Amino acid sequence: GEDVEQSLFLSVREGDSSVINCTYTDSSSTYLYWYKQEPGAGLQLLTYIFSNMDMKQDQRLTVLLNKKDKHLSLRIADTQTGDSAIYFCAESIKVDDYKLSFGAGTTVTVRA
Amino acid sequence: NAGVTQTPKFQVLKTGQSMTLQCAQDMNHNSMYWYRQDPGMGLRLIYYSASEGTTDKGEVPNGYNVSRLNKREFSLRLESAAPSQTSVYFCASSESLPGTLPQPQHFGDGTRLSIL
Repeated sequence: GEDVEQSLFLSVREGDSSVINCTYTDSSSTYLYWYKQEPGAGLQLLTYIFSNMDMKQDQRLTVLLNKKDKHLSLRIADTQTGDSAIYFCAESIKVDDYKLSFGAGTTVTVRA
Repeated sequence: NAGVTQTPKFQVLKTGQSMTLQCAQDMNHNSMYWYRQDPGMGLRLIYYSASEGTTDKGEVPNGYNVSRLNKREFSLRLESAAPSQTSVYFCASSESLPGTLPQPQHFGDGTRLSIL
């Protein structure tokens, strides 16, 4: 979606940390999401963060939200080959708006 | 634990043919959605249904119709397929209710549709 932007590609060495970045435009976003899509599969919800939070950690995943700059990032610690996928950032806007606006997706390739 | 089930998984159509994509969820979710995914464009919302009996247009509704058959099922119909509708179609559902905070959407595995 035009309101959410992501870089298209990221290459990372196995065992390193990956950082995927996303910018969004709507300041009234309520939740921001990270989805993972493996080849030939649907989207799997990885994690999400409410817009009044700065950080959320879930095992190897850390989400950082800079509301002032409208910047969201997903850090994957100790990246594994199974982390190779397309990662989508998405925002939901307003309390009673059910619609998600997606970025174009970042293709993460993990090399040995 | 099926979650969101889409049928068929693959389909090839000729221009002008019609077909219906089926979606069913077993999570008792109120809201259901249809998206299309095209290379470099992420997912775009075609139609959604906030509750049984209601449907609304999304970002790219032209050329499509939907039916919320019951709480479980939400179908997408192409009345006269065009090559521009070649895409991967995803159905999703969520617990979202009017007036409450949005809940995460859960996705099916997609229908890969080619129109010649």
